[in-house]
Amino acid sequence: RKEVEQDPGPFNVPEGATVAFNCTYSNSASQSFFWYRQDCRKEPKLLMSVYSSGNEDGRFTAQLNRASQYISLLIRDSKLSDSATYLCVVNINYYDMRFGAGTRLTVKP
Amino acid sequence: DAGVTQSPTHLIKTRGQQVTLRCSPKSGHDTVSWYQQALGQGPQFIFQYYEEEERQRGNFPDRFSGHQFPNYSSELNVNALLLGDSALYLCASSRWGVGAGELFFGEGSRLTVL
Repeated sequence: RKEVEQDPGPFNVPEGATVAFNCTYSNSASQSFFWYRQDCRKEPKLLMSVYSSGNEDGRFTAQLNRASQYISLLIRDSKLSDSATYLCVVNINYYDMRFGAGTRLTVKP
Repeated sequence: DAGVTQSPTHLIKTRGQQVTLRCSPKSGHDTVSWYQQALGQGPQFIFQYYEEEERQRGNFPDRFSGHQFPNYSSELNVNALLLGDSALYLCASSRWGVGAGELFFGEGSRLTVL
């Protein structure tokens, strides 16, 4: 089993749609969780951290379920500019952040 | 405020050759991590440097080695290149002691091995 697994995608949605991405991780000792965004042929950039109580940043909502070792990202009212690859990231230990393979999102007019 | 800078941006090598990639971390950062990203995959952790020492290493062979300099910049060396080493190599910087948090990535060095 991979350490971090994500929906393979791609997700093709119309503007204004709500889309959800899922991620599971294998190491129950993982402490920190993040969503990164990577535009085509660019470097990954932090989108948001994921907290145990769940957290929201504008149109983006992240949820964590430690019991199921599951992380989600919800994007509401999708914009064309949301088109990117979304990477689930899990902190294995202090030194080591493990990335999922990413889920590609395309938002169409 | 300069972000993470990497060089070269693109390079082409042949099998068996050696390559050195360079990284300067974001101002105020003292920790450098290296990742390999193959096409269509997420970044894979190679190793991390702090205080000029390798602190942690991912599942990569000894052909991959690194170094960190007193000014916190870092190099990644790959010996005996294989076709499978073709990838985007990303450098990420952070601050030690802050705890797991945001990684700031450079734009990467795209290596093609022929």
